[in-house]
Amino acid sequence: DTAVSQTPKYLVTQMGNDKSIKCEQNLGHDTMYWYKQDSKKFLKIMFSYNNKELIINETVPNRFSPKSPDKAHLNLHINSLELGDSAVYFCASSHSTNTEAFFGQGTRLTVV
Amino acid sequence: AQSVTQPDIHITVSEGASLELRCNYSYGATPYLFWYVQSPGQGLQLLLKYFSGDTLVQGIKGFEAEFKRSQSSFNLRKPSVHWSDAAEYFCAVGLSYNTDKLIFGTGTRLQVFP
Repeated sequence: DTAVSQTPKYLVTQMGNDKSIKCEQNLGHDTMYWYKQDSKKFLKIMFSYNNKELIINETVPNRFSPKSPDKAHLNLHINSLELGDSAVYFCASSHSTNTEAFFGQGTRLTVV
Repeated sequence: AQSVTQPDIHITVSEGASLELRCNYSYGATPYLFWYVQSPGQGLQLLLKYFSGDTLVQGIKGFEAEFKRSQSSFNLRKPSVHWSDAAEYFCAVGLSYNTDKLIFGTGTRLQVFP
């Protein structure tokens, strides 16, 4: 009974393609996030949504577009993929802005 | 700007030995503090957190951490390490006015030898 689930777990694609990563949480949380972990394991927030509204957009290229159809879902769409987009992308959720975040298993994106 | 420093990139300990992973933060007020663990190929699992109150917090898997305001530190400890503790450990800071944004340290990789 996975709390925060992401699909796919692995994604290999060519430069220039457009791809999406889906995230769903069944914890009843109202805040969801996307984090990027680079090849050196450094984690940095990309986006934060609260009740389907964008709260944080951390100077991410506009090729990255999050979409939250409802509180339980936060998808990440990436246009015109570049080599530098290769990373592990983590979805997370929290009950509110002042509680801990629960993370998904991650999506390893490889752009070739 | 807020930042989190984990001075030890890689630590190796023998099974049964004690462990301390260091974490220092830079932030003008009292932050919310977290330790997460990432096993190979896995997501991040919360070990423990500090929001307020008792500065010594207990977490899962026998871990504890102590918040020391004077040293801006939140070091993670375990009295006896098990081989299954081998993983990457991340310290994170949530700003006290808004934990929407967690700031992570660069992680410490723990290896455990039998």
